[in-house]
Amino acid sequence: DTAVSQTPKYLVTQMGNDKSIKCEQNLGHDTMYWYKQDSKKFLKIMFSYNNKELIINETVPNRFSPKSPDKAHLNLHINSLELGDSAVYFCASSQVGGSYNEQFFGPGTRLTVL
Amino acid sequence: QKEVEQNSGPLSVPEGAIASLNCTYSDRGSQSFFWYRQYSGKSPELIMSIYSNGDKEDGRFTAQLNKASQYVSLLIRDSQPSDSATYLCAVDRGNRDDKIIFGKGTRLHILP
Repeated sequence: DTAVSQTPKYLVTQMGNDKSIKCEQNLGHDTMYWYKQDSKKFLKIMFSYNNKELIINETVPNRFSPKSPDKAHLNLHINSLELGDSAVYFCASSQVGGSYNEQFFGPGTRLTVL
Repeated sequence: QKEVEQNSGPLSVPEGAIASLNCTYSDRGSQSFFWYRQYSGKSPELIMSIYSNGDKEDGRFTAQLNKASQYVSLLIRDSQPSDSATYLCAVDRGNRDDKIIFGKGTRLHILP
C-alpha cells in the first residue's frame, strides 16, 4: 500500500498554462506539506496544512494555491506557469504531536515548463 | 549563516569502511533532527531521527547529536554501494509551525 501518493508523476506543459498536482496519504496523519526541489536539489517548504487549516505559507508567488479538501488530501494548483516553476514537487505528511514531526514523502511530480 | 549546513561532497568512501556525514544548525532551540536518504530521481526517505544528546543506533546507521555544539552526524558502518545517495540533514526548530529546515545534502559515493 502506498503511504503518500501523488499524481501525475510527470507534467510537461507550456508557459502560461494552469496545472494541478494532487496528493493523498493513507497514514492517518493530520498535517500535509508541499515542497519544491530545484535543479540544485535544494528542498524547500512551500505550504503546510493541519486538519485543512493553512499553517505554513512561505514566500511563494500567489500563482501557487494549495487546497486541502480533507486531512488526507492536499492539492496544488499553479496558474500562469513560468519557466522557473520547473522543478520536482514533493508532497509529505506527518502527525503533529506524534513521532516528533517525522515527515514521509510522496514520489514527487516532475514539472517541466517549456 | 545558513540554518542547516552540510558539505555538498561528493564524499567518496571505500566499500566496507565507515562513512561519516556531518551537519551543523544555527537555531539553538531546535528540538528534533532527521537524516533522509535520497537516491537520484527518487523522493527523500527518512532513515534516522534523534531528539536527545548522544548516539542512536539502528542497524548499520548511528546518528550522533551534540546540542551544545549544534552538530548532528550520521555514521554508516560497513558501507555498501547501495548506500551511494544524497543524505539530507533536517532540523525541526520546535516552533508552532512544525516547519522542518533541510540542508542542501551531502552526496555520498561508495567505491566498490
